[in-house]
Amino acid sequence: DSGVTQTPKHLITATGQRVTLRCSPRSGDLSVYWYQQSLDQGLQFLIQYYNGEERAKGNILERFSAQQFPDLHSELNLSSLELGDSALYFCASSVVGTGSTDTQYFGPGTRLTVL
Amino acid sequence: DAKTTQPPSMDCAEGRAANLPCNHSTISGNEYVYWYRQIHSQGPQYIIHGLKNNETNEMASLIITEDRKSSTLILPHATLRDTAVYYCIVRGPYSSASKIIFGSGTRLSIRP
Repeated sequence: DSGVTQTPKHLITATGQRVTLRCSPRSGDLSVYWYQQSLDQGLQFLIQYYNGEERAKGNILERFSAQQFPDLHSELNLSSLELGDSALYFCASSVVGTGSTDTQYFGPGTRLTVL
Repeated sequence: DAKTTQPPSMDCAEGRAANLPCNHSTISGNEYVYWYRQIHSQGPQYIIHGLKNNETNEMASLIITEDRKSSTLILPHATLRDTAVYYCIVRGPYSSASKIIFGSGTRLSIRP
């Protein structure tokens, strides 16, 4: 158990819908990362937040957005869902988000299925 | 950040040492080598990282060559639970998270 929690574990929805994925970082971690992993694909970095502020952005679609709240939990919002958005979505957290010893710890993921 | 090259798959007998290689010939002086693994569809799990000295923890050992152009992750006594995809990543201490590339990794199969 990494200490990172993600809800829900599974999510099934229809095309065109909007969903929200939630992540709670490890206690004491200030930085949160979101990744997408499609079937048999590698992990694709989406976005990073540090203490409520956006720190880095990857190839995140405009239909996707995220935020980190004052209690440091984060939410990833996916809208106008398409079949191709079906994937595993992982959240990771680390202490400060930078530095040689800053290690990312991953949550168990949310499996999104768009029908 | 430097790119890494790993064999797509390997296998190892249970109880034997599993040695997973990684090439990172363009690594810079301040870049670290990190290893993660992903068991089935679970979240990736941090294993170990190092700069230039060999490192060991309760999970594995990391051997980095003197020129730092390659490294080897060693699982000393592989078990069936070590079956996973292993990712070798190179990153600088202040690299943007957007530059951290997990790649395709090595799929390690442990045979009984």
